[in-house]
Amino acid sequence: GDSVTQMEGPVTLSEEAFLTINCTYTATGYPSLFWYVQYPGEGLQLLLKATKADDKGSNKGFEATYRNETTSVHLEKGSVQVSDSAVYFCALGLRSGANSKLTFGKGITLSVRP
Amino acid sequence: NAGVTQTPKFRILKIGQSMTLQCTQDMNHNYMYWYRQDPGMGLKLIYYSVGAGITDKGEVPNGYNVSRSTTEDFPLRLELAAPSQTSVYFCASLFGASYNEQFFGPGTRLTVL
Repeated sequence: GDSVTQMEGPVTLSEEAFLTINCTYTATGYPSLFWYVQYPGEGLQLLLKATKADDKGSNKGFEATYRNETTSVHLEKGSVQVSDSAVYFCALGLRSGANSKLTFGKGITLSVRP
Repeated sequence: NAGVTQTPKFRILKIGQSMTLQCTQDMNHNYMYWYRQDPGMGLKLIYYSVGAGITDKGEVPNGYNVSRSTTEDFPLRLELAAPSQTSVYFCASLFGASYNEQFFGPGTRLTVL
């Protein structure tokens, strides 16, 4: 079945450090890939998406590229801020069909210290 | 638009009690979902619905029931609460194709003692 594997956490960085969060996937067909963020005490919200191979999603300084050849969609940010402290989830979804479901990774907690 | 709303925010149940978690969306989304989030385990799909009157099981449906009588509402029912159901529950909705964004509610934190 479809699955998503995220790097183990938690991750602690100093402000303005470079961030990479690894995510690889296994899927039948051609999934769409998503990064969701969960701030403390809140629900998940979409951070960015990449819906086909070589697509680059970006938002709030975060970027992720859909790499079909390595089945990965690593999340990157050049300079993190304290306000980026949150839990980050990688997810994949079927591109079409009645079963529009997301498969989530376990999530990784990012803490950014001043 | 209020988006996806969930009630209650917190609840403590005793073993064997029952309760209904409410979920409402005002975006006219056809797809709705219930997830549970356990620490370090990501989100697991409990049930989902592709429209009013249609529901289907997700990955972890045991111990839960759902109904979808209207487009807006998708309640989740726990009939005999067990400690293993202690979790944070999220409702989500989506319009149309799967590569659109799922919108999440703020969650319900449930403890079963």
